[in-house]
Amino acid sequence: DAKTTQPPSMDCAEGRAANLPCNHSTISGNEYVYWYRQIHSQGPQYIIHGLKNNETNEMASLIITEDRKSSTLILPHATLRDTAVYYCIVRAPGVIQGAQKLVFGQGTRLTINP
Amino acid sequence: GAVVSQHPSRVICKSGTSVKIECRSLDFQATTMFWYRQFPKQSLMLMATSNEGSKATYEQGVEKDKFLINHASLTLSTLTVTSAHPEDSSFYICSAKFQVGTDTQYFGPGTRLTVL
Repeated sequence: DAKTTQPPSMDCAEGRAANLPCNHSTISGNEYVYWYRQIHSQGPQYIIHGLKNNETNEMASLIITEDRKSSTLILPHATLRDTAVYYCIVRAPGVIQGAQKLVFGQGTRLTINP
Repeated sequence: GAVVSQHPSRVICKSGTSVKIECRSLDFQATTMFWYRQFPKQSLMLMATSNEGSKATYEQGVEKDKFLINHASLTLSTLTVTSAHPEDSSFYICSAKFQVGTDTQYFGPGTRLTVL
């Protein structure tokens, strides 16, 4: 799977939009971009994923650049409960042997300040 | 979203004993479940991939005789840490993938194992 690069930490004010960047310059054409987050002492929570087009759900928006070498996760109105480590992961569809697994990097520790 | 549960949430045991952790998909059938381990201040590390009705595939460096995985049904996988030692103390997390359709994995809440 392609490696990803994320800033180790970010701060954001409560109520503002939190924009978390991720670089994945070696991503392959069939690899998806997934975002998970992990609140302290809990299991990771799925947020969103995408291939080429921008995606939006009730939790966040995912913006993928046209060349797919980077993406940004947007939390439109951050709350204190959004404080967590956010992981950006790229992986191919599960039909490929061994491609089902998620490889977690160090992620970005996002702190929402009151 | 899909719900995955783990039991127990926390366990303390003596060195040399075995501990079983259950992972259940509550509202969907999961052909594949995954077991991760997370040490303090570190990221998740995949231990093994478990497919219903077949043997688990272990990651390099993970002892299959020490970490026994059973995936007997489409909604249950178990991880047994045999002859646990203090260095096995960790946060163990499972995830499950839908039987069909999306490749998205959904994670359980984790099990905190402390070996004395």
